[in-house]
Amino acid sequence: GAVVSQHPSWVICKSGTSVKIECRSLDFQATTMFWYRQFPKQSLMLMATSNEGSKATYEQGVEKDKFLINHASLTLSTLTVTSAHPEDSSFYICSRGQGEYTEAFFGQGTRLTVV
Amino acid sequence: GQQVMQIPQYQHVQEGEDFTTYCNSSTTLSNIQWYKQRPGGHPVFLIQLVKSGEVKKQKRLTFQFGEAKKNSSLHITATQTTDVGTYFCAGPGNAGGTSYGKLTFGQGTILTVHP
Repeated sequence: GAVVSQHPSWVICKSGTSVKIECRSLDFQATTMFWYRQFPKQSLMLMATSNEGSKATYEQGVEKDKFLINHASLTLSTLTVTSAHPEDSSFYICSRGQGEYTEAFFGQGTRLTVV
Repeated sequence: GQQVMQIPQYQHVQEGEDFTTYCNSSTTLSNIQWYKQRPGGHPVFLIQLVKSGEVKKQKRLTFQFGEAKKNSSLHITATQTTDVGTYFCAGPGNAGGTSYGKLTFGQGTILTVHP
């Protein structure tokens, strides 16, 4: 079964509103989780590393004030897309590892459509 | 992090034909992982290669890691319609080689299998 649960699976929101996406690690206390964005027919691009109890680390070019990440517990990381615009429409997906050289376990992903 | 190039971007085959996708890195990789993403789904881990020259097989899938640990390939023998999806290679997302689940993905190869 799934070891990383992500909700919602899809969301449609109006331009200018904010959307929160949750990512839960079901079987492992994850001090670190990752958020990716994937546009149609493209690769997964790492947006940020979510760190439990501290600030997220954002990749170059990702606006930290627009994509708010909170990792308040060892099993939950959230990504909030603030003041969403149509160009933010994408597939957002979270993941976690389980050790130094480890495979990544992905959530189901969230398809965000901003209208 | 590492940068990984992957080709081809698209591959259309007739059912029963073979398929190969290639990944190349400009730097030595501590390991490389392969994932499959079905349309509308999330990436699913296939395998991890760690040793120089390593070859691993999973039924009709053969994975290779180059001697210099800079390139890798995935070969599918006698494709089936169930093989449809996007195949990604991924290297460690940290410059030091460890990942803890943080990955740098290749561009992916979208495989279409015609019955």
